[in-house]
Amino acid sequence: EVQLVESGGGLVQIGGSLRLSCAASGFTVSSNYMTWVRQAPGKGLEWVSIIYSGGSTYYADSVKGRFTISRDDSKNTLLLQMNSLRAEDTAVYYCARSPNWNYVSGFDYWGQGTLLTVSS
Amino acid sequence: AIQLTQSPSSLSASVGDRVTISCRASQDIGSALAWYQQKPGKAPKLLIYDASSLQSGVPSKFSGSGSGTDFTLTISSLQPEDFATYYCQQFNSYPLTFGGGTKVEIK
Repeated sequence: EVQLVESGGGLVQIGGSLRLSCAASGFTVSSNYMTWVRQAPGKGLEWVSIIYSGGSTYYADSVKGRFTISRDDSKNTLLLQMNSLRAEDTAVYYCARSPNWNYVSGFDYWGQGTLLTVSS
Repeated sequence: AIQLTQSPSSLSASVGDRVTISCRASQDIGSALAWYQQKPGKAPKLLIYDASSLQSGVPSKFSGSGSGTDFTLTISSLQPEDFATYYCQQFNSYPLTFGGGTKVEIK
């Protein structure tokens, strides 16, 4: 059974750093495209970043240069390193999987989300 | 970035109604569009991919259509479990973008 479990959220000061993890089971993270999507309280969905099975990465303009997506293949885990955090980064962060190894057309499995609160 | 405009932003409907939600892209995205359902406090659920392909396990009352810039999600007969917020997402180019969402409420 495919499962994604996020962790690492919490309360961080403006300008601080945090790393989110997404532990996967039932499939191999490095064989799929993996993504992070966030949702600010009471707001819609916002795509954050994606990593291809080959390792290529893309980012939303709002996080480019501050966030880094990566994988720990030994732990079958997706990571999101977040630096220079801003109040507007406050959101529930979801990791999700594309079912394909070579293109993306939708994300079929999602984690339960982890809440990041950035405050002074 | 490609903008996705969903309409309406909210709607009230009754059980058994046929519901259609629109998603318009700011430029041609071919068929690179997905639809999701989200219930409060839960992660999104993939309903439709490639504009019109039904995700495995999703009831056939959900259908998607369209290509280019205009897309539609249709729920053929609304049931109590379908009251939720629906989002479209484009995969034509980066940054990937979502529509603003359509909240389907009980009339």
